[in-house]
Amino acid sequence: SQQGEEDPQALSIQEGENATMNCSYKTSINNLQWYRQNSGRGLVHLILIRSNEREKHSGRLRVTLDTSKKSSSLLITASRAADTASYFCATDASGAQKLVFGQGTRLTINP
Amino acid sequence: NAGVTQTPKFRVLKTGQSMTLLCAQDMNHEYMYWYRQDPGMGLRLIHYSVGEGTTAKGEVPDGYNVSRLKKQNFLLGLESAAPSQTSVYFCASSLFGGQAPTQYFGPGTRLLVL
Repeated sequence: SQQGEEDPQALSIQEGENATMNCSYKTSINNLQWYRQNSGRGLVHLILIRSNEREKHSGRLRVTLDTSKKSSSLLITASRAADTASYFCATDASGAQKLVFGQGTRLTINP
Repeated sequence: NAGVTQTPKFRVLKTGQSMTLLCAQDMNHEYMYWYRQDPGMGLRLIHYSVGEGTTAKGEVPDGYNVSRLKKQNFLLGLESAAPSQTSVYFCASSLFGGQAPTQYFGPGTRLLVL
């Protein structure tokens, strides 16, 4: 069974607006990652946040992690048409050798 | 540096036929993974390998076999294809699993089983 659940399942906003998507998970983790998937393509790694970190930034991306609530959020600021994609969170538990992916949020940026 | 490549890109099979999907990586990664992705779904792990000569089952291993004879290659086999195996298959690799969990993905193989 998949550990992560993304919310919302789909999000449509205007170019220039900020997009926020959330991920919840069930068990204790070592790290949480966010990946992007453009239509028909493989996933691309965006950012990793470790369990002892609360917030991390990379360019227009901001990720927060709340281990007490077992949740994370990904904020994309000043969205662009090129940000249209599906976004997945992925977690790895302590000692695990593999990731568990959520079902993804489909983001559409309207020009 | 090609990263992770997958062969073939697209394949149509008839029920009961067999095939092998090839994944190759040139990053000297220890860990390799095979996932399947169905419409509107996330990725489900089929099998993975933590090093040359090793394999392990993932979440949905039934109907698939794998081999990792060389560090850079990870093969996924379907012995007797079923329509339920129609999916997009992704291969990924990572340097060291838990210590370096970032995974690098191939472009995918679209498989249609009639």
